[in-house]
Amino acid sequence: RKEVEQDPGPFNVPEGATVAFNCTYSNSASQSFFWYRQDCRKEPKLLMSVYSSGNEDGRFTAQLNRASQYISLLIRDSKLSDSATYLCVVRMDSSYKLIFGSGTRLLVRP
Amino acid sequence: DTAVSQTPKYLVTQMGNDKSIKCEQNLGHDTMYWYKQDSKKFLKIMFSYNNKELIINETVPNRFSPKSPDKAHLNLHINSLELGDSAVYFCASRQDGYNGYTFGSGTRLTVV
Repeated sequence: RKEVEQDPGPFNVPEGATVAFNCTYSNSASQSFFWYRQDCRKEPKLLMSVYSSGNEDGRFTAQLNRASQYISLLIRDSKLSDSATYLCVVRMDSSYKLIFGSGTRLLVRP
Repeated sequence: DTAVSQTPKYLVTQMGNDKSIKCEQNLGHDTMYWYKQDSKKFLKIMFSYNNKELIINETVPNRFSPKSPDKAHLNLHINSLELGDSAVYFCASRQDGYNGYTFGSGTRLTVV
């Protein structure tokens, strides 16, 4: 079983749609959680950290359920510029090693 | 002014050759990493150095050898390149005590 699992997509949505991505992780000792964004042929960039209480950054909302080992990302009012691959990422331990999911591809169409 | 820079951006080489990828960060970060992203887009950690000291060494063939001459540089040397080494290699850095990584733009290695 992969340590971090995501639906690969692609999710193909019209502009203005709301889209949700899910992710599960296998190690209950995981310490920190993130969503990264990766554009085609570019490096990953941190989108947001994910906290147990849930957190929001503009149109983006992230949720963490430690009991279910489940992380989500909700994007409201999708823009064309949101088209990218969204990577679910978990930090395992004090070494700050990041474990990446394989990513969920989002395509926002006009 | 690039924060984490890798050279070269593209590298095409024949099987059996030895090659190096260089990485430099000007952020003053203490820890640097090498990650590999394969054709399925899966990013996996290879190595990590903290202040020139190796702290993470994943299950990577010993043909791969990292070298950190100082905390701002982490180079990756690969001996006897194989077809399966074709991938994008990302360097990253992080300041101690903070979660956020800064990635370089990647080196696309193609072994023919």
